[in-house]
Amino acid sequence: AQSVTQLDSHVSVSEGTPVLLRCNYSSSYSPSLFWYVQHPNKGLQLLLKYTSAATLVKGINGFEAEFKKSETSFHLTKPSAHMSDAAEYFCVVNPRGGGSQGNLIFGKGTKLSVKP
Amino acid sequence: NAGVMQNPRHLVRRRGQEARLRCSPMKGHSHVYWYRQLPEEGLKFMVYLQKENIIDESGMPKERFSAEFPKEGPSILRIQQVVRGDSAAYFCASSPVSLAGGEGQPQHFGDGTRLSIL
Repeated sequence: AQSVTQLDSHVSVSEGTPVLLRCNYSSSYSPSLFWYVQHPNKGLQLLLKYTSAATLVKGINGFEAEFKKSETSFHLTKPSAHMSDAAEYFCVVNPRGGGSQGNLIFGKGTKLSVKP
Repeated sequence: NAGVMQNPRHLVRRRGQEARLRCSPMKGHSHVYWYRQLPEEGLKFMVYLQKENIIDESGMPKERFSAEFPKEGPSILRIQQVVRGDSAAYFCASSPVSLAGGEGQPQHFGDGTRLSIL
C-alpha cells in the first residue's frame, strides 16, 4: 500500500533560521513526490516536484527537497525562514510515478510557524 | 492567466438540501480531480475525470455524491441530501494530458469551496 507520513504536525522556527519538514513515503512503484503549501483559506500551491530525475530538487521561494530512496524520505528544507513562510505544508505522492493520472496521496500536513 | 476556478468559495446548506460545486480547469487541461479536506486533515482523493468520462471514483462515497465533467462547461460535484458530516473544504485540481515517457505533470489546485451544513 502507498502512504505518506509527515513526522511533525507542527514545526516552529525563528525568522532567519533553517527549516526542516520531514516526510517519509512508501510506494510499490517508483513514485513521483511533491511538496505543496497551503496558506489559510487558500488552495494548494506547488513548491517542488521529484519525478526520477535529479534527487536534489529546487523549488520556489528558496525551498528544496532531497529524494533518498534508501531512507524512503523526501524532506523539505530552506536555509533561512521568512515570516511569509508560515503556512501548512503537505508532502504528496503520486504512487504511479511519471504522469499525472490517478489520485494523489496526501500526508496529514505540517503547520509551520515562524517567530519574529 | 486564469488558474483553476472554483465557485462558490463558500456554500451554506441546510440538512437535506443539495449542494453543487463547480470547477473550471486551467486552460488546456483535460483532467480534473476532486479532493475533500476535513479540519486538521490532509486532502483525500474523491474522483478523477476526463471530459465526459469518470476515470477513477474510488474515493467517492457510493451514495449521495456524484461528479461529472461534460463536454462543455465546468466539472460539477453534486452532493444530495447533505448531512452535517459533509461540512468540509472541497478542492478541485486539474492537469494537462501527460506525455508518454515524459516527466510527471503536477496537479494545479483551485482555492476550494468551503461547504457548511447547518
